[in-house]
Amino acid sequence: AQSVAQPEDQVNVAEGNPLTVKCTYSVSGNPYLFWYVQYPNRGLQFLLKYITGDNLVKGSYGFEAEFNKSQTSFHLKKPSALVSDSALYFCAVRDGGNFNKFYFGSGTKLNVKP
Amino acid sequence: GAGVSQSPSNKVTEKGKDVELRCDPISGHTALYWYRQSLGQGLEFLIYFQGNSAPDKSGLPSDRFSAERTGGSVSTLTIQRTQQEDSAVYLCASSSGVEAFFGQGTRLTVV
Repeated sequence: AQSVAQPEDQVNVAEGNPLTVKCTYSVSGNPYLFWYVQYPNRGLQFLLKYITGDNLVKGSYGFEAEFNKSQTSFHLKKPSALVSDSALYFCAVRDGGNFNKFYFGSGTKLNVKP
Repeated sequence: GAGVSQSPSNKVTEKGKDVELRCDPISGHTALYWYRQSLGQGLEFLIYFQGNSAPDKSGLPSDRFSAERTGGSVSTLTIQRTQQEDSAVYLCASSSGVEAFFGQGTRLTVV
């Protein structure tokens, strides 16, 4: 069965500090992994994806994520947080061998304080 | 259009009424998804359309919910005899390959 876990409901970080939002996944085939961001009263906005290749993928707004197959993780990172990064972040997975629906984590609220 | 368009953006309806929510996907996208997001919660899968294949309806919570996709483009999600627990944001997404792109959602409030 496919599933995604985001163990932290909320992450607090000071502006200028590095941030990490954690995600672990379970998928029967090859994982296609995604991060989305949701600002208040808005839909989800695509940030980045991992399909294959380099384990470190770069996305929009300076975000990057590291795929770790042995730990089945895909943590979202940014070297220096901005107050404007404060939002709700969702990790998602698809089974690359059986294109179907996306499975989303429960979301992590990122608070960046000035 | 440039992105996925959903209408209406907000809908308030009385308990027991039927509602229709519309999704215009990005032109050329063959896959279309409906998800539901309750207040402060994650995303609940509802239904998935891929080209001319039979839709995956496994996430529809009851037979009051149905969806169709006409001509491989516009989709309508219909909720019959709405209940208060149907109140949520209904999100539509479309995809031409790997990642999906979401609309702004329809906020449904059942009073």
